[in-house]
Amino acid sequence: DAGVIQSPRHEVTEMGQEVTLRCKPISGHNSLFWYRQTMMRGLELLIYFNNNVPIDDSGMPEDRFSAKMPNASFSTLKIQPSEPRDSAVYFCASSATLGRGLGELFFGEGSRLTVL
Amino acid sequence: DQQVKQNSPSLSVQEGRISILNCDYTNSMFDYFLWYKKYPAEGPTFLISISSIKDKNEDGRFTVFLNKSAKHLSLHIVPSQPGDSAVYFCAAEDNFNKFYFGSGTKLNVKP
Repeated sequence: DAGVIQSPRHEVTEMGQEVTLRCKPISGHNSLFWYRQTMMRGLELLIYFNNNVPIDDSGMPEDRFSAKMPNASFSTLKIQPSEPRDSAVYFCASSATLGRGLGELFFGEGSRLTVL
Repeated sequence: DQQVKQNSPSLSVQEGRISILNCDYTNSMFDYFLWYKKYPAEGPTFLISISSIKDKNEDGRFTVFLNKSAKHLSLHIVPSQPGDSAVYFCAAEDNFNKFYFGSGTKLNVKP
């Protein structure tokens, strides 16, 4: 079975450009998470969807960041305009909220963003 | 403010010895705790978990200990192997299936 699929794997862009990261969760999973990994803060939760509805976006750094989940099989994280401090690895993860504590948070391989 | 903290950014251990990774949390409402392992250029993968009703969970070479009164958990790897070299993230799950992660500890197991 395919795991969580993220694209692009690597993105290099210039400051001020729009960046769109994409995620396809595991089929049947009803929760989707966007995380950002940095050296200073480790894995930060940006936003969390349950059944395609944003539940908690308190981790989104500022208005330049937005996320959507138009259907159960696709989500995007958009940064507009991008800044050098947005450079990080962005992970998407999905889970089936049928049981807790069963390690059912599955991560994609990440999208490494570099903003010059 | 981070609700899950890993205060040791790195740990180096000799092959065959025990590796102990530590994690502290602040929210007493967390009732499930997990450890994830991450290799370079890959996403984190689940390693082991523990419910707050337990104080120990063992899976092969990996054991997680939970001390609720101290709000502290630890991961023991015995014996450590070079293939265990990775970044280990501690995580806690709340009632809304939201996962909070620590900043990670990079383990280096020397042959």
